Amino acid sequence: EAQVTQNPRYLITVTGKKLTVTCSQNMNHEYMSWYRQDPGLGLRQIYYSMNVEVTDKGDVPEGYKVSRKEKRNFPLILESPSPNQTSLYFCASSLSPGTSIYEQYFGPGTRLTVT
Amino acid sequence: DAKTTQPTSMDCAEGRAANLPCNHSTISGNEYVYWYRQIHSQGPQYIIHGLKNNETNEMASLIITEDRKSSTLILPHATLRDTAVYYCIVRVGVDPSGYALNFGKGTSLLVTP
Repeated sequence: EAQVTQNPRYLITVTGKKLTVTCSQNMNHEYMSWYRQDPGLGLRQIYYSMNVEVTDKGDVPEGYKVSRKEKRNFPLILESPSPNQTSLYFCASSLSPGTSIYEQYFGPGTRLTVT
Repeated sequence: DAKTTQPTSMDCAEGRAANLPCNHSTISGNEYVYWYRQIHSQGPQYIIHGLKNNETNEMASLIITEDRKSSTLILPHATLRDTAVYYCIVRVGVDPSGYALNFGKGTSLLVTP
């Protein structure tokens, strides 16, 4: 089954404690990205990756890091989480930019609470 | 990307057709209309997309006006599971500059028994 998986699904942590949210897709997609969703602000892109070893900032990259060492994985790293990073996070993947089909597949979400 | 305008909320009786409108009066010739939906706090789900012609798939139909300034997503026989927020997104079909989807606020569709 084609899918995007994220782990963990729920996480409560404390300020300053480094954490990683994993994302993996099994569709051989080149493009992957991370969004955060907050009430009243909608979904906003954090980082994206066009392919292995190619990453770039989205609209709200501050406080986040990403890496793309393998095509299927795109972890989101919070080096020093703060309460304003409490949010619902989604990973997404899609075919390469060379196609006109803009169907992005989203993971189930990770609800992060930073106290 | 062209801006879209959608009603904040709509109701639909189960079994009836749900017609969700979207205005995109500033759409450019190379921009597609995409529809996604998000069922409560789940990951958004792609529904359908189109450029000029009407489109239909197993989930829905997309009707685009001739001047392309508006479109309607039609769920032909709405079920309770179709209760969700529906997002109309206009985007250039092939754009290497990030592929971010601008979801906006969407329309909250409530399907009632």
